[in-house]
Amino acid sequence: AQSVTQLGSHVSVSEGALVLLRCNYSSSVPPYLFWYVQYPNQGLQLLLKYTTGATLVKGINGFEAEFKKSETSFHLTKPSAHMSDAAEYFCAVRVNAGNNRKLIWGLGTSLGVNP
Amino acid sequence: DAMVIQNPRYQVTQFGKPVTLSCSQTLNHNVMYWYQQKSSQAPKLLFHYYDKDFNNEADTPDNFQSRRPNTSFCFLDIRSPGLGDAAMYLCATSKPGTSYEQYFGPGTRLTVT
Repeated sequence: AQSVTQLGSHVSVSEGALVLLRCNYSSSVPPYLFWYVQYPNQGLQLLLKYTTGATLVKGINGFEAEFKKSETSFHLTKPSAHMSDAAEYFCAVRVNAGNNRKLIWGLGTSLGVNP
Repeated sequence: DAMVIQNPRYQVTQFGKPVTLSCSQTLNHNVMYWYQQKSSQAPKLLFHYYDKDFNNEADTPDNFQSRRPNTSFCFLDIRSPGLGDAAMYLCATSKPGTSYEQYFGPGTRLTVT
């Protein structure tokens, strides 16, 4: 069965420090991978996605993620954290098979940014 | 701008009193989803539509129903809300022939008193 694991339910960094949020997946077929961000009392916003092609993908707000098939990982990074990055981050995977229209979600990682 | 709209943003209902949440979209996407999200948890898919084709999740309680009268609108009906149904309800859309990335509305926060 497909699954998504986000290591660390809460990550705290200092403003200006590197942000690293970890996501590992299990899938028997090539997946599509997504990172979403959710601010308090808001819906989810797509940060970036990997479908095919280049394994390093860039998203909004300076975030990027690298698909590593050998490690079944899709970790999210940002070189320098801003206070405005404090939010909940969700990794999700879509199994690219047939007409599958659903995403499998990780449990989320809450990012705190300290001044 | 094309978007997903949810009304109301905040809804208070009484225990057992039926409530309807609405979602509309200007993206013209074929697929619409309803999620339930409780505090500090991942979104939980309740059901989704592909056009008029309704797809229920196996563990969605019968208390939750949905209607999609046309491409643009989708409704979530909670027939007899219990205290455990207090949550954020998220509507999302996606488009076939793509990676099926989902576009979310701002959500409706449901409180049950």
